[in-house]
Amino acid sequence: DVKVTQSSRYLVKRTGEKVFLECVQDMDHENMFWYRQDPGLGLRLIYFSYDVKMKEKGDIPEGYSVSREKKERFSLILESASTNQTSMYLCASSLSGVKNNEQFFGPGTRLTVL
Amino acid sequence: SQKIEQNSEALNIQEGKTATLTCNYTNYSPAYLQWYRQDPGRGPVFLLLIRENEKEKRKERLKVTFDTTLKQSLFHITASQPADSATYLCASLFSGGYNKLIFGAGTRLAVHP
Repeated sequence: DVKVTQSSRYLVKRTGEKVFLECVQDMDHENMFWYRQDPGLGLRLIYFSYDVKMKEKGDIPEGYSVSREKKERFSLILESASTNQTSMYLCASSLSGVKNNEQFFGPGTRLTVL
Repeated sequence: SQKIEQNSEALNIQEGKTATLTCNYTNYSPAYLQWYRQDPGRGPVFLLLIRENEKEKRKERLKVTFDTTLKQSLFHITASQPADSATYLCASLFSGGYNKLIFGAGTRLAVHP
């Protein structure tokens, strides 16, 4: 069964802390994505990666960075957490070169910044 | 900018009825539309894809239509059950490439016994 896992389901951090969110997929997918989901706003793309060490900004990259050192792992970093980064964070992966680009999602990490 | 809109109001229906959810897109012509289901506290799960040259697609009790004139997709669940209660998201491929999807905000469906 295909799987995308995220390091934590729930996380509470303080303002100014550096936060790492990890995502691992076991499907050998080239593409990986980080979204945040807020009520009424839907899924907003933060960053994505289409290959190891490659990254592209999404729609809301400010305050975030990413790292993809291995194909299966994509990390989201909040350099200095702020309260407006309290949200549900979802990681996803997909294959390249296929017609439907179905994305497989992890269970999400609910981050609270106090 | 490319945009997908879904009805933000929750849809409440009785068990056994057909649920119909709407997805409208603006400022582009997507090659396909996808539909996902999301349960509370979980990530979305892919359900169906319909291409621009397909009028209709079916999978068990699910049916999706694609009207390029109206710039709209309709998602139907026939003989709905309480277990169908969830949020349903519409998504399409961003025309700038990179296998990037644009998602609607989703419509919450509640099926009552």
